[in-house]
Amino acid sequence: DTAVSQTPKYLVTQMGNDKSIKCEQNLGHDTMYWYKQDSKKFLKIMFSYNNKELIINETVPNRFSPKSPDKAHLNLHINSLELGDSAVYFCASGSGGFHNEQFFGPGTRLTVL
Amino acid sequence: AQSVTQLDSHVSVSEGTPVLLRCNYSSSYSPSLFWYVQHPNKGLQLLLKYTSAATLVKGINGFEAEFKKSETSFHLTKPSAHMSDAAEYFCVVSDLNYQLIWGAGTKLIIKP
Repeated sequence: DTAVSQTPKYLVTQMGNDKSIKCEQNLGHDTMYWYKQDSKKFLKIMFSYNNKELIINETVPNRFSPKSPDKAHLNLHINSLELGDSAVYFCASGSGGFHNEQFFGPGTRLTVL
Repeated sequence: AQSVTQLDSHVSVSEGTPVLLRCNYSSSYSPSLFWYVQHPNKGLQLLLKYTSAATLVKGINGFEAEFKKSETSFHLTKPSAHMSDAAEYFCVVSDLNYQLIWGAGTKLIIKP
């Protein structure tokens, strides 16, 4: 069974479009995350979310918005896509807490043309 | 603020020789530290984690790391490299908001 899954795996779209990436976890974790990995492999946290709190990285443009229909899902919506949004986006989940690791999905490679 | 510095962007070793990937951290409190691995075009997998229980931490695939507070280091080692170890390795520290702060990564290249 896949612990953290994302769809689609690849997403190619035109500038200005709106797109969504879906994420689901079956680990029973309370907290989910979205990361962006740029072409130099640098990973940056975008959002973390649990039942109580959404923490947004202040550098993330408000064109990006996470939406959580339930505890097992955290989808990422992106409006008015720009060339600089091209990257690999990873979803992750964890039980929260200082010592607890996060479990990652396979990633979604987004290419904006 | 917490941070991690991976001292080498690339490390190249021959198959069968030891691996050393270096990581220094900065933290104002006793940190939680992790090593993750990313194989080409794959997701991220946890190798091992330090949570103050023991300074020498053993992980998967024969990797281990030693926490040295005096040196603020958490270097990753493996006695004998295998071709399948070729990947990108990330050193990570947890902050007080339970978010992970990532190093820039070290690409491990294994020569036959």
